[in-house]
Amino acid sequence: GAVVSQHPSRVICKSGTSVKIECRSLDFQATTMFWYRQFPKQSLMLMATSNEGSKATYEQGVEKDKFLINHASLTLSTLTVTSAHPEDSSFYICSARERPGTEAFFGQGTRLTVV
Amino acid sequence: AQSVTQPDIHITVSEGASLELRCNYSYGATPYLFWYVQSPGQGLQLLLKYFSGDTLVQGIKGFEAEFKRSQSSFNLRKPSVHWSDAAEYFCAVGAFTGGGNKLTFGTGTQLKVEL
Repeated sequence: GAVVSQHPSRVICKSGTSVKIECRSLDFQATTMFWYRQFPKQSLMLMATSNEGSKATYEQGVEKDKFLINHASLTLSTLTVTSAHPEDSSFYICSARERPGTEAFFGQGTRLTVV
Repeated sequence: AQSVTQPDIHITVSEGASLELRCNYSYGATPYLFWYVQSPGQGLQLLLKYFSGDTLVQGIKGFEAEFKRSQSSFNLRKPSVHWSDAAEYFCAVGAFTGGGNKLTFGTGTQLKVEL
């Protein structure tokens, strides 16, 4: 299957700072990327859907000013957690698909800890 | 709205024993169904998927799942479990049509394998 890489795999940041997470499709061009959040021992919740070159579509209840998503190229999407707080600590996972109607592949996730 | 129920939060089996993880779904149309496995601190790996056709689907690592429309179920099975199968398993329902790819995940089943 296709490879999706997330970076970093782990990050610790201070409360009030911003942190950027990258999601890259390594061997295909991803027109759409998805960002999920997973709380400990819980399932994945879709945060937003981003299509290359356009604004992300956020799920209900997700603060778009808090979680900035950029999908500037067909191989890279970034999620920036702005003014992070301890409650933002979580496991963030991205997935990417080449085009509508095709399977989405998942990255390995990023563990964010805000102290 | 689509939903997925995984009734078993934890399951413990002995190595070599058979395994069945339950998944029930609710979806307005013909569903696309998935089983993913997640090791601690890792992303998701696709085990198998059902889009159409044969209702018994073979996946990787010796797993299989059977789609039963009448029961709205998509249970995952393995005839002989290995210690390395210990992980979290997620069932998901969704569609890849159009501009969206909204996968809805179940809450997961934690599998423990006793040696």
